[in-house]
Amino acid sequence: DQQVKQNSPSLSVQEGRISILNCDYTNSMFDYFLWYKKYPAEGPTFLISISSIKDKNEDGRFTVFLNKSAKHLSLHIVPSQPGDSAVYFCAGFQGAQKLVFGQGTRLTINP
Amino acid sequence: DAGITQSPRHKVTETGTPVTLRCHQTENHRYMYWYRQDPGHGLRLIHYSYGVKDTDKGEVSDGYSVSRSKTEDFLLTLESATSSQTSVYFCAISEWGNTDTQYFGPGTRLTVL
Repeated sequence: DQQVKQNSPSLSVQEGRISILNCDYTNSMFDYFLWYKKYPAEGPTFLISISSIKDKNEDGRFTVFLNKSAKHLSLHIVPSQPGDSAVYFCAGFQGAQKLVFGQGTRLTINP
Repeated sequence: DAGITQSPRHKVTETGTPVTLRCHQTENHRYMYWYRQDPGHGLRLIHYSYGVKDTDKGEVSDGYSVSRSKTEDFLLTLESATSSQTSVYFCAISEWGNTDTQYFGPGTRLTVL
């Protein structure tokens, strides 16, 4: 049972344009949602989070939107830069300090 | 960067042999986790620890055991490695109450032949 799903394995975007990464979830009990970024041969690093009581959180070029009725969240990156090329994981926080991750989306920013 | 190291970073072993992976932290964080990353599955929780000698199972714990005898060290053991345990293993740490500060180590690539 995949509680968090990222249905797009990959995404290619032109430098300077907007990147939109999507994530769907089935567990209504998640308190927070988080996005992690991962470069090859490194561990994931935290990017941005959103509480389940909010619908938007912004941090510089990164904005996360949460649509609870649709059980959907998205990460917007504007403008996209070459250094944003990485694998992005969304995750739901379900208590006991445990995260449930999606499968990941590989973002490639083309010059 | 959070002080998390994993050893070894790479290991090749044969089916049926025992393997132990080590995670060491210098942050004195209470929680420690072991994940595996596989294509198409993202990161899946194997086991986690909420204190010295306090551990619990994650979603893919079969075939794995853990131990935490000191705050700074969390060991993951594959008692008898199988080819299905070929994966990249990540350790992570977090402090109670901080949902967005789960810091990850650099990973261990394990190949079971």
